[in-house]
Amino acid sequence: DIVLTQSPDTLSLSPGERATLSCRASQTISSHLLAWYQLKLGQAPRLLIYGTSTRAAGVPDRFSGSGSGTDFTLTVTRLEPEDSAVYYCQQYDSSGITFGRGTRLEIK
Amino acid sequence: QVQLRQSGPGLLKPSQTLSLTCVISEDSVSSNSAAWNWVRLSPSRGLEWLGGTYFRSQSYYEYAVSVQSRITINIDASKNQFSLQLRSVTPDDTGIYFCARDIRSGYYGGRDYFFNYYGMDVWGQGTTVTVSS
Repeated sequence: DIVLTQSPDTLSLSPGERATLSCRASQTISSHLLAWYQLKLGQAPRLLIYGTSTRAAGVPDRFSGSGSGTDFTLTVTRLEPEDSAVYYCQQYDSSGITFGRGTRLEIK
Repeated sequence: QVQLRQSGPGLLKPSQTLSLTCVISEDSVSSNSAAWNWVRLSPSRGLEWLGGTYFRSQSYYEYAVSVQSRITINIDASKNQFSLQLRSVTPDDTGIYFCARDIRSGYYGGRDYFFNYYGMDVWGQGTTVTVSS
């Protein structure tokens, strides 16, 4: 199975700043099979990005994804208090679906 | 607007079988572009995909290696729903269980096969499951 390693575990930033979240795969994955989700307490996960860089419907353009091969990044610009959440990367391959362990983003 | 509505008990004893159902509205469990998944959230593992099913002329099933000996996912097309059974539960199976739809498509272009994955875009409300004696 492909293992996704996310870093950092926790990121603490102020409103207006920029967050950079990393997702590294244990082997090369196709960029169109990589997605990102936002998870807030008491809610279901929300799809943010699919195909590495395509925003899902209704997702603000402050959220962007990039990367290829084994290294992928979720960037959130102009941070707002509502961006406080845990962010997960996810991949799909012939063995099924795996998630990273998540990065907690705290807005000070 | 596609909706998923989950149901099932939230408290089990060790060795029992967890059974959850997910009813689909405004889409079909037999859709040829969707797959239907079960995902759980736990403090120790974060989000964990358990398995899924999809229909492309016939039904296909995928299971995570971590639970494949204990899990069964079934489809009931007459009720437009799918279900999860997880046998021999332990306290380690405690968590919030979600059903979720993902969109995927594959096609042949000449001799090449192209596959696209669009992520899990619709989720159930979640069911808190506690396994305790």
